[in-house]
Amino acid sequence: NAGVMQNPRHLVRRRGQEARLRCSPMKGHSHVYWYRQLPEEGLKFMVYLQKENIIDESGMPKERFSAEFPKEGPSILRIQQVVRGDSAAYFCASSPPGTQGNTEAFFGQGTRLTVV
Amino acid sequence: KQEVTQIPAALSVPEGENLVLNCSFTDSAIYNLQWFRQDPGKGLTSLLLIQSSQREQTSGRLNASLDKSSGRSTLYIAASQPGDSATYLCAVRRGTGRRALTFGSGTRLQVQP
Repeated sequence: NAGVMQNPRHLVRRRGQEARLRCSPMKGHSHVYWYRQLPEEGLKFMVYLQKENIIDESGMPKERFSAEFPKEGPSILRIQQVVRGDSAAYFCASSPPGTQGNTEAFFGQGTRLTVV
Repeated sequence: KQEVTQIPAALSVPEGENLVLNCSFTDSAIYNLQWFRQDPGKGLTSLLLIQSSQREQTSGRLNASLDKSSGRSTLYIAASQPGDSATYLCAVRRGTGRRALTFGSGTRLQVQP
């Protein structure tokens, strides 16, 4: 059973370009979370999705950032018109379905975005 | 708003020492608490998960405790080894409907051979 897969592992974008980060959850997991880790800081929650639904986007910046988790395929975190301040490690986590919040989260290796 | 604090921010110990990492959180209404390990430039590896109804969990040389009422958790590492060198992160999960984890800033551990 493969773990949470993120790609690319490293992404370099020029200011103003778009960045697309992909996350395939563990098999059987229907909940996906995106976190951002700025240099020398802890992880900050961005968005929580289930298939075709955004459940909690309270950590998402209001502009330029969007996320989706379609019925088929990976979850995508999209950053439009990237700026230097977007440079960070973006981590995806997944957890199995369940009615309570007591399930364990499993993390991917992250995508390290560098904006030049 | 939940805040998670980890003390100390950095720790250096000689090999073989037992050590304790501390985590505190401001809102005791949590579902569970998870300890992770992060190696430089790598992802997060889950070490231990403690449900809100539990007091402790053990895995090998690791033991994590949870005192929900006082908002504290500790991670105890016995007989430390150079391979334990990493950043250790504590995270608490919010309640139903908001299942995201709130992370502390981590403790950077260096075990000297």
